[in-house]
Amino acid sequence: EVQLVESGGGLVQPGRSLKLSCAASGFTFSNYYMAWVRQAPKKGLEWVATISTSGSRTYYPDSVKGRFTISRDNAKSSLYLQMNSLKSEDTATYYCARGMGADYFDYWGQGVMVTVSS
Amino acid sequence: DIQMTQSPSLLSASVGDRVTLSCKASQSIYNSLTWYQQKLGEAPKLLIYDANSLQTGIPSRFSGSGSGTDYTLTISNLQPEDVATYFCQKYYSGLTFGSGTKLEIK
Repeated sequence: EVQLVESGGGLVQPGRSLKLSCAASGFTFSNYYMAWVRQAPKKGLEWVATISTSGSRTYYPDSVKGRFTISRDNAKSSLYLQMNSLKSEDTATYYCARGMGADYFDYWGQGVMVTVSS
Repeated sequence: DIQMTQSPSLLSASVGDRVTLSCKASQSIYNSLTWYQQKLGEAPKLLIYDANSLQTGIPSRFSGSGSGTDYTLTISNLQPEDVATYFCQKYYSGLTFGSGTKLEIK
């Protein structure tokens, strides 16, 4: 059974940093692209970052490019999201998701809440 | 950028109904479209990919269709457990989600 479990969320002040983690199990992690998708409270979904199987390629939308960094450790079946210079508009539930290539997402974690507020 | 517009934003239907949800792109996305179901308090679940391919394990009452700029998710024989918000997502020329359609039971 595919499982994705996020951790590392919480309350953080604007301008500070936070690192999210996602522990994957139930599949061969190194064979899949992985991604982060977020959802602001009572809002829609927004793609945040994607990483290739080896980690050599990463993709971001303009809204987070230069502030967020996605990475992975295939030996640990783990995905990460380093978030710097956080803004109030980054407040959201962050989902770890398994990618079908760099296109769409077939499994999602339960999400972790990040609140950016002073 | 290609924009995705979903309609209606809220849909109320009765058990057993056939319902259709719309997702329109501002230019052709060449069938590069998925549909997700998100129940309250849960993570999204993949229903349809490549516009009309049913994800493994999803009931056959869900179907996707369309081409070019216009796409549709159809739920036949609506069930109480189908109450959810449904999002479309394009993956041609970047990844963008629609704003969602909230489906309620009358």
